[in-house]
Amino acid sequence: SAVISQKPSRDICQRGTSLTIQCQVDSQVTMMFWYRQQPGQSLTLIATANQGSEATYESGFVIDKFPISRPNLTFSTLTVSNMSPEDSSIYLCSVEVGLNQPQHFGDGTRLSIL
Amino acid sequence: GDSVTQMEGPVTLSEEAFLTINCTYTATGYPSLFWYVQYPGEGLQLLLKATKADDKGSNKGFEATYRKETTSFHLEKGSVQVSDSAVYFCALLMNTGFQKLVFGTGTRLLVSP
Repeated sequence: SAVISQKPSRDICQRGTSLTIQCQVDSQVTMMFWYRQQPGQSLTLIATANQGSEATYESGFVIDKFPISRPNLTFSTLTVSNMSPEDSSIYLCSVEVGLNQPQHFGDGTRLSIL
Repeated sequence: GDSVTQMEGPVTLSEEAFLTINCTYTATGYPSLFWYVQYPGEGLQLLLKATKADDKGSNKGFEATYRKETTSFHLEKGSVQVSDSAVYFCALLMNTGFQKLVFGTGTRLLVSP
């Protein structure tokens, strides 16, 4: 398995501002994923982040709103831009530790926008 | 497309009761199946998995059997504890090289003493 650290664990932000969430893994992984979990809902995949290439976004998510960086095999960031109250969610990163293996998740970032 | 359907919650049980949380899936191929658990204020933890038909995943007293004929992966536990109170997510992973997890909506379990 992998140990995944997310920062910050929670934040309260003003509308119109941006927040960058960091995800650090204790081992090199090929694929990292970013999910959103709206209050009381299931997880929705935002994008897949591979090192050395542009992130692949799911339908309904765009790079301008959720820019992602993946500078190396152990780290990724997700920025939530120009936030509005509708962006209040838990944002989780996960990693794939091997082909056809389950993804492992960080503890998430609980984001509230006022 | 691929999808997962879970029973709606909350499921409310007394301690030591028997638990079943139903999960069925729709997939064009032969997925791997997982149960994840989310304790209050935490991220998701993998609870158990099964990668092919008739496999039984088990962990911490929980079990689930991959039933291809009924496309199901129901979660069971013989005797729940208060500490099992959490949200349980069923998920599938298509073994096609693009590792995209598909989650069910989650089922909240509340266990009272």
